[in-house]
Amino acid sequence: ETGVTQTPRHLVMGMTNKKSLKCEQHLGHNAMYWYKQSAKKPLELMFVYNFKEQTENNSVPSRFSPECPNSSHLFLHLHTLQPEDSALYLCASSQENTGELFFGEGSRLTVL
Amino acid sequence: QQQVKQSPQSLIVQKGGISIINCAYENTAFDYFPWYQQFPGKGPALLIAIRPDVSEKKEGRFTISFNKSAKQFSLHIMDSQPGDSATYFCAASVGTGTASKLTFGTGTRLQVTL
Repeated sequence: ETGVTQTPRHLVMGMTNKKSLKCEQHLGHNAMYWYKQSAKKPLELMFVYNFKEQTENNSVPSRFSPECPNSSHLFLHLHTLQPEDSALYLCASSQENTGELFFGEGSRLTVL
Repeated sequence: QQQVKQSPQSLIVQKGGISIINCAYENTAFDYFPWYQQFPGKGPALLIAIRPDVSEKKEGRFTISFNKSAKQFSLHIMDSQPGDSATYFCAASVGTGTASKLTFGTGTRLQVTL
């Protein structure tokens, strides 16, 4: 495995379900990110972890809960989502003190 | 203040033509301007980046032109190929050491036709 891998690639869930998105990076980076990508909108930064510590939370609703158990793994726990949360969720990593983001292929989430 | 405005939203160019995507910003503290390329079903990937100490940067068929006084920068794709069909995002940040501070544009979907 190389780069940044995300699972699942597609997820359909009801508003009362609980699910998790998983991200793993094999690049030796020490920062990991969750982004939300919606059509015709800029990429929205949700959470940032540096050295496993959450350093940013951009006013994301509490129904999204991140977890970073180590510098290679990142999770996004989802519960009681709304239909407007349907989007592509991208995980990314970077080496601290560099500006380049390395993205995974994303998890396409549909909330019914 | 933090916005980066990108245009056009979509673009169709014939093979061999020049594709031009424009971005404008307000925050004069921005000093790092990357472009990301995203193919369908893939995540964005860094394509080319520029700092404001130069007015142009070229890598192969891809060129960034930067106009500091107008607070605008653009991506030019020369001799556009069908394989260039993708969505392109401009971005800007203060400093290169803080990837979390990148502000992205809304994206331009480029289609290169035969």
